[in-house]
Amino acid sequence: QSALTQPASVSGSPGQSITISCTGTSGDIGNYNYVSWYQQHPGKAPKLIIYEVSHRPSGVSDRFSASKSGNTASLTISGLQAEDEADYYCSSYTVDSVLDVFGPGTKVTVL
Amino acid sequence: EVQLVQSGGEVKKPGESLKISCETSGYSFISYWIGWVRQMPGKGPEWMGIIYPRDSDARYSPSFRGQVTISVDKSVSTVYLQWSSLKASDGAMYYCARSQYRGFDSTIDYWGQGTLVTVSS
Repeated sequence: QSALTQPASVSGSPGQSITISCTGTSGDIGNYNYVSWYQQHPGKAPKLIIYEVSHRPSGVSDRFSASKSGNTASLTISGLQAEDEADYYCSSYTVDSVLDVFGPGTKVTVL
Repeated sequence: EVQLVQSGGEVKKPGESLKISCETSGYSFISYWIGWVRQMPGKGPEWMGIIYPRDSDARYSPSFRGQVTISVDKSVSTVYLQWSSLKASDGAMYYCARSQYRGFDSTIDYWGQGTLVTVSS
């Protein structure tokens, strides 16, 4: 069972912006700036798109942005494109384990 | 170019042993932590454990400690995940994953392609 919660699904039309939330506690997201986001297309390995709350790795589109407020982190996809249809997972450092915990994932559908 | 290439899918029976591998290239193997992530169908990934190849210091998530063993062979830049006695519930996709882990923040910057393990009688 994930210690982080995410909405099961989010959808939007091409060109729109959508936001995915990831809610934790003071033992993870709330007190630590080690939140990451991963994109996973069907049958593929996940890919890192955000690290340390809001930083994008080299080569990741600037349509992806992220932030944190209190115990909730958020990922925003702007100018939604068909290729953005995928599962998105948040993860965070947690005081309860030596390794990060992942959220259950959010399926993004482009209408 | 950093590459993590995993061994092929496996079909095993409950009680059998298994060792899967992840051969790395394109970076200094001994300088980065590397580990294994389990993903059950339709679920989020779960860290199983991570190891520092330079000194084989291994850390395990509570759920997996004692259930699996992670090891490395520095001579071939390869990390392994081993079970001594598989259970049906071990059937899943397993990914090897590189991290710039510092004792906290196990963000994964590179992933292997995945190894599907099927356990069925």
